[in-house]
Amino acid sequence: KNQVEQSPQSLIILEGKNCTLQCNYTVSPFSNLRWYKQDTGRGPVSLTIMTFSENTKSNGRYTATLDADTKQSSLHITASQLSDSASYICVVTRTNYGGSQGNLIFGKGTKLSVKP
Amino acid sequence: EAGVTQSPTHLIKTRGQQVTLRCSPISGHTSVYWYQQALGLGLQFLLWYDEGEERNRGNFPPRFSGRQFPNYSSELNVNALELEDSALYLCASSKGLARLYNEQFFGPGTRLTVL
Repeated sequence: KNQVEQSPQSLIILEGKNCTLQCNYTVSPFSNLRWYKQDTGRGPVSLTIMTFSENTKSNGRYTATLDADTKQSSLHITASQLSDSASYICVVTRTNYGGSQGNLIFGKGTKLSVKP
Repeated sequence: EAGVTQSPTHLIKTRGQQVTLRCSPISGHTSVYWYQQALGLGLQFLLWYDEGEERNRGNFPPRFSGRQFPNYSSELNVNALELEDSALYLCASSKGLARLYNEQFFGPGTRLTVL
């Protein structure tokens, strides 16, 4: 079954601290993996995207890693800020054999709260 | 450049009613996607339109339908509303089928409450 599991479900950290969010997937065949940030009541915004051959991608204070062998990804946030408080969603694209874009499998997200 | 826009932002309906949600994609994008995000759940894929055609459909009953217009905007229609249809409905757009990655850009969503 194609699934994306994220952990932890929620996380509270102090401003300035680092944190790492986890994503495990069983999606096959794999096309790419994205991390999105979703502020409360807003649409998700893409942070990073990685294909099978990429094992790390950075976007400012956000660094995503991908281990395609173990089917695991992580999102590391450095020097957290209050504005980082949001849900972080891991999304895996499953390749459609027809060549067109396949289904996206979404994780339920990790709710991060950054406290002053 | 304007992002994906959705209307209305909030909507309250009663069971059995019908609702139409609207989405305008980013200029130059031909694909529009609809997702349902119920409280506490992940995004569930509903529908994908490209160049006016329905390309893919998620595991939802037929009372969820939609269409894409020649200007690439889209409507999502939900008939015979049920309480469990209460959710945030997100629209996303991307460049067309031939583009690598096909990154999706999301709108702010429409919050539907069914009483």
